[in-house]
Amino acid sequence: GENVEQHPSTLSVQEGDSAVIKCTYSDSASNYFPWYKQELGKGPQLIIDIRSNVGEKKDQRIAVTLNKTAKHFSLHITETQPEDSAVYFCAASPAGGTSYGKLTFGQGTILTVHP
Amino acid sequence: DAGVIQSPRHEVTEMGQEVTLRCKPISGHDYLFWYRQTMMRGLELLIYFNNNVPIDDSGMPEDRFSAKMPNASFSTLKIQPSEPRDSAVYFCASSIGRGLASNEQFFGPGTRLTVL
Repeated sequence: GENVEQHPSTLSVQEGDSAVIKCTYSDSASNYFPWYKQELGKGPQLIIDIRSNVGEKKDQRIAVTLNKTAKHFSLHITETQPEDSAVYFCAASPAGGTSYGKLTFGQGTILTVHP
Repeated sequence: DAGVIQSPRHEVTEMGQEVTLRCKPISGHDYLFWYRQTMMRGLELLIYFNNNVPIDDSGMPEDRFSAKMPNASFSTLKIQPSEPRDSAVYFCASSIGRGLASNEQFFGPGTRLTVL
């Protein structure tokens, strides 16, 4: 089955700096890679996702890059703000087959943005 | 739409008791997922359904755990008997399963379970 590794486990930055979180995956059949943000006491919420036919996707201060050859993808947050402080999860999902729709999550990164 | 609804939000019970967690997915979503989140193991998929049929229950820890989806708008996760190591936050999520946004999962607020 799929295995997703996420690094770093904790990340501390100053407000205004950039933050980068990296993930690797093992199953070459995976083609959907979402990123979720989880705030304290809440369920994870999708913030951005990318599919394997795209190498990069951007949404305001957030961007995701994908390298299918190397099987890794990254989340980039620019101009960080204190409200970006949360736990971030990457995930991977296959295109089809018996595991269609199933997400395998990374271990999570605790991001702290200091004012 | 109100999003995914879970109840109860908090549950405290004693070891050996039966616990039932409930979930109402987003209307029109074909997939429903049950996850467990702990500090040690992170976010684990327990079981998921497609059109009310269980597809993969390989994440269910043991026979004490069971899940049902009697119709498209309701699912339960039952633990009987409960043990202290079952203490965790349990999330339900749903996804459309069709079209461009097919894989996107929407999570509920979770049920925090404490087994004493």
